[in-house]
Amino acid sequence: AQSVTQLGSHVSVSEGALVLLRCNYSSSVPPYLFWYVQYPNQGLQLLLKYTSAATLVKGINGFEAEFKKSETSFHLTKPSAHMSDAAEYFCAVSPGTASKLTFGTGTRLQVTL
Amino acid sequence: DTGVSQDPRHKITKRGQNVTFRCDPISEHNRLYWYRQTLGQGPEFLTYFQNEAQLEKSRLLSDRFSAERPKGSFSTLEIQRTEQGDSAMYLCASNPGQGGSTEAFFGQGTRLTVV
Repeated sequence: AQSVTQLGSHVSVSEGALVLLRCNYSSSVPPYLFWYVQYPNQGLQLLLKYTSAATLVKGINGFEAEFKKSETSFHLTKPSAHMSDAAEYFCAVSPGTASKLTFGTGTRLQVTL
Repeated sequence: DTGVSQDPRHKITKRGQNVTFRCDPISEHNRLYWYRQTLGQGPEFLTYFQNEAQLEKSRLLSDRFSAERPKGSFSTLEIQRTEQGDSAMYLCASNPGQGGSTEAFFGQGTRLTVV
């Protein structure tokens, strides 16, 4: 069985500040981990993914995440927030390639001036 | 290829009516998934197909729900005798399948409102 916990349903940062969105996972097999972004009334867009290669993963729009097995974490970061980053972010885990995803409950990121 | 396409984007129906949604995956993607997302929650897995075979169904998929992928291309999700609790965003995703990309590509979803 797999599960994802996203700490903080809402995160607010100032424009230009560091973004940190937390994700912890549970998996009985080596996990594949993903971060998706969702804008209002839209589907999900992949930001980045970890598939057992490099533990520091770089994605689109300046986001990156680090896989830490010892902490069962896959936190999402961005050095400098932009207004356009305001959206809902979902962490997800799967047991392998082309497998179903188990999502967290999401974190809404607000970016203020 | 324009990605995963879902139709309709929005559907309002009266309680007790049947509704059907369609998903067209990316060409040559063997795997097709349906998820349901309620307000303030992450998407929850409903079912998936490998070509035309439905390989897994979640316990969330009650007997009022049925999904098909008759020719291994597009898929339909039907909800019979809709209830207010069925109001949600229904998301479709596709993937090339084993040996292909690990990424699932999502459509824009169908938002269902049951009144």
